[in-house]
Amino acid sequence: GAGVSQSPSNKVTEKGKDVELRCDPISGHTALYWYRQSLGQGLEFLIYFQGNSAPDKSGLPSDRFSAERTGGSVSTLTIQRTQQEDSAVYLCASSLETSVPASYEQYFGPGTRLTVT
Amino acid sequence: AQKITQTQPGMFVQEKEAVTLDCTYDTSDPSYGLFWYKQPSSGEMIFLIYQGSYDQQNATEGRYSLNFQKARKSANLVISASQLGDSAMYFCAMSPFRGTGRRALTFGSGTRLQVQP
Repeated sequence: GAGVSQSPSNKVTEKGKDVELRCDPISGHTALYWYRQSLGQGLEFLIYFQGNSAPDKSGLPSDRFSAERTGGSVSTLTIQRTQQEDSAVYLCASSLETSVPASYEQYFGPGTRLTVT
Repeated sequence: AQKITQTQPGMFVQEKEAVTLDCTYDTSDPSYGLFWYKQPSSGEMIFLIYQGSYDQQNATEGRYSLNFQKARKSANLVISASQLGDSAMYFCAMSPFRGTGRRALTFGSGTRLQVQP
């Protein structure tokens, strides 16, 4: 079946502009994560969605970052008033998390490379 | 809090030989999962192998095996019979299992493996 897809694959934006990054998880996966990968900080968790529960936003670096997940499927990460330090690869992952002990591997999309000039 | 340490920034191995990539971790969670991901130059994170903290046997997936030593808090990845296509960045990661709630991955800094012909 189809894996996790993300769009756009590359985004160049001017400082101060808003950007939207999209993630389409694997069908049936209830959990969705956003991570950021940058040279200085490595891989960082940003936000987590699980079913209809309130999202866990504890990893968002500032209030300029927000995300939503519509209909338990597609998610959009929005960065307002972008700064140069927001330049990174933004990775989305989905997982089939159940109450039954099982592997909880996350499957990643190809990422969106964001460059803020 | 969780922490993953990968002390080998880079490794070289001859084609067809085995290689071990080191990973140590620290956590206060009684139940957790350990993961290895491969990131080739294309950028996508590829799930390789998973080990649950209560699993009695070390995980194996084809040429990959995870040498799990719980008392030492280590989860080394062993790749047997290295292939040129194994050249990539390898990340060790872990997540807590707390029943419900996020299972965000905490990543190490990665090891860049280069397989030489």
